[in-house]
Amino acid sequence: QVQLQQWGAGLLKPSETLSLTCAVYGGSYSGFYRIWFRQPPGKGLEWIGEIDHSGNTNYNPSLKSRVTISVDTSKKQFSLKLSSVTAADTAMYFCAHYSSDWRAEGRGYWGQGTLVTVSS
Amino acid sequence: EIVMTQSPVTLSVSPGERATLSCRASQSVNNRLLWYQQKPGQAPRLLIYDASARATGIPARFSGSGSGTEFTLTISSLQSEDFAVYYCQQYNNWPRTFGQGTKVEIK
Repeated sequence: QVQLQQWGAGLLKPSETLSLTCAVYGGSYSGFYRIWFRQPPGKGLEWIGEIDHSGNTNYNPSLKSRVTISVDTSKKQFSLKLSSVTAADTAMYFCAHYSSDWRAEGRGYWGQGTLVTVSS
Repeated sequence: EIVMTQSPVTLSVSPGERATLSCRASQSVNNRLLWYQQKPGQAPRLLIYDASARATGIPARFSGSGSGTEFTLTISSLQSEDFAVYYCQQYNNWPRTFGQGTKVEIK
């Protein structure tokens, strides 16, 4: 059974850098898509970006200049960094892991979410 | 980017009734369409992928259909645990984009 656990600072000041980490327990470490999403309070979901097992990344153009997604060398953790945050970045942030065979598995796996608040 | 539009915004349904949710894409996404269910305080849960394939463990009362720009999620007989917000998401183009969600509430 695959489980994701995510963590990071929950309160930031404007202009600081958001940094979140997501650990993947179980599942595939060789073939995957790992994704970050966010959801402002009371609003809908937004795709931030993703990274695959080869290190290829894709980012939302609305955030591209500020966002970096990376995977550690063990491939058991991946991270999100978002620079120069403002109040508009206040949201619940979710990580997700899909194996390369996710269609055969018929599912993906999500972290529990981390609420990040940006306030002076 | 592809704009996903869901309708209605809110759907009031009695338990046991059928619910039909719509999702429209601003351009073709082929069948690269996901449906998620989200309950308060929880992460989204994948229901449907490739527009019509049920995810693992999802009850048969959930079904998806459509292709191109028009998609439908049908819940054949609403159970109490189905009252939630439902999102569609396309994964045919970058960036991946979501609809704004449909809230299914008890009538």
